Amino acid sequence: KAGVTQTPRYLIKTRGQQVTLSCSPISGHRSVSWYQQTPGQGLQFLFEYFSETQRNKGNFPGRFSGRQFSNSRSEMNVSTLELGDSALYLCASSLGAHQETQYFGPGTRLLVL
Amino acid sequence: QQQVKQSPQSLIVQKGGISIINCAYENTAFDYFPWYQQFPGKGPALLIAIRPDVSEKKEGRFTISFNKSAKQFSLHIMDSQPGDSATYFCAASKRNRDDKIIFGKGTRLHILP
Repeated sequence: KAGVTQTPRYLIKTRGQQVTLSCSPISGHRSVSWYQQTPGQGLQFLFEYFSETQRNKGNFPGRFSGRQFSNSRSEMNVSTLELGDSALYLCASSLGAHQETQYFGPGTRLLVL
Repeated sequence: QQQVKQSPQSLIVQKGGISIINCAYENTAFDYFPWYQQFPGKGPALLIAIRPDVSEKKEGRFTISFNKSAKQFSLHIMDSQPGDSATYFCAASKRNRDDKIIFGKGTRLHILP
């Protein structure tokens, strides 16, 4: 069974631009979570989707948004990029809404210049 | 009350030695405590997990020790090998997870050959 896939793997943007990241969960998994990983801050939770509905949301500004499609694939969007948005963005999937174990993708490394 | 505090931030251990990483939590509602291992360029992967009904869980060279009264848990890596060099994250969540998983900030472990 294929793992969680994320595209693109690397991205360079400039301040003020917007970016869309994509995540395809493991086949059959219906829950997708997004995290921002930066050195020293660990994994910061962005949001979680289950059956196209946002279940939980972290403490990030409204520039960060996401959505989930009927096939469980998810996208996250960051508008008006800032230098501080440079990070590794990780997507994780789990079987259902109440499954504790999450399976992570390799991440998308975003560099904002 | 939602924090998971992880220490140390970085750790250097000789090959064959014991690596110990500690985590402390505040929310007594947490009842699932996983550890994730992350290699450079990869997403975190579940290593081992424990529930508070046991005080210790061992899988190969990896052991979780859990102290419910102190609200602490730790990861012990016996006979540490250079291939264990990675970043380790502890985490905590509630059974039938109705809220996000809380991650520690990570420990960068380096095993000297």
